[in-house]
Amino acid sequence: KAGVTQTPRYLIKTRGQQVTLSCSPISGHRSVSWYQQTPGQGLQFLFEYFSETQRNKGNFPGRFSGRQFSNSRSEMNVSTLELGDSALYLCASSLVASGMTDTQYFGPGTRLTVL
Amino acid sequence: AQKVTQAQTEISVVEKEDVTLDCVYETRDTTYYLFWYKQPPSGELVFLIRRNSFDEQNEISGRYSWNFQKSTSSFNFTITASQVVDSAVYFCALSGSSGSARQLTFGSGTQLTVLP
Repeated sequence: KAGVTQTPRYLIKTRGQQVTLSCSPISGHRSVSWYQQTPGQGLQFLFEYFSETQRNKGNFPGRFSGRQFSNSRSEMNVSTLELGDSALYLCASSLVASGMTDTQYFGPGTRLTVL
Repeated sequence: AQKVTQAQTEISVVEKEDVTLDCVYETRDTTYYLFWYKQPPSGELVFLIRRNSFDEQNEISGRYSWNFQKSTSSFNFTITASQVVDSAVYFCALSGSSGSARQLTFGSGTQLTVLP
């Protein structure tokens, strides 16, 4: 089975721009979560999508948004980019068996640099 | 609130030495899950193991072993006979069983360097 894929792998933007990152989960996985990794804050949860609905959200400003499509693929969008948004953005997918917390499998990440 | 502490920021060992990475967690949930992930320089988080709070059995997988102790809220990871390829950042993570607790809460990571 192919793993989680993320595109693009690298991105350079300037302050004030917006960006869209894409994530394709492992085939059959229905939940997609997004995390931000920075040297200062470590790994922080952004949001989780399941069946095209945001099920859970971390403590990030409204500039960070996401969506999930019917094929479980997900996108996240960051508007009005700030220097502090420079980070590795990781997507993870999980199967979501009934009643249990499933293991999340991560993609290679998108490294965003904001100049 | 959930919290994971990895007190060891960096560890350096010589190849073939054994090394233990410490993880201490805090949670009010009675059902929770613990994980270890490895992050090589490429950046991808590689899943290593998952443990349920109701299963305190220790586990061994090749050179890797995990010691889960609910009494001390610890989930330590030991690499036996370390190899250069083990060099990476290792993260311990915790999640609850439902709702907002499903998200992973990560420790700050331990950078392991194995020298030849």
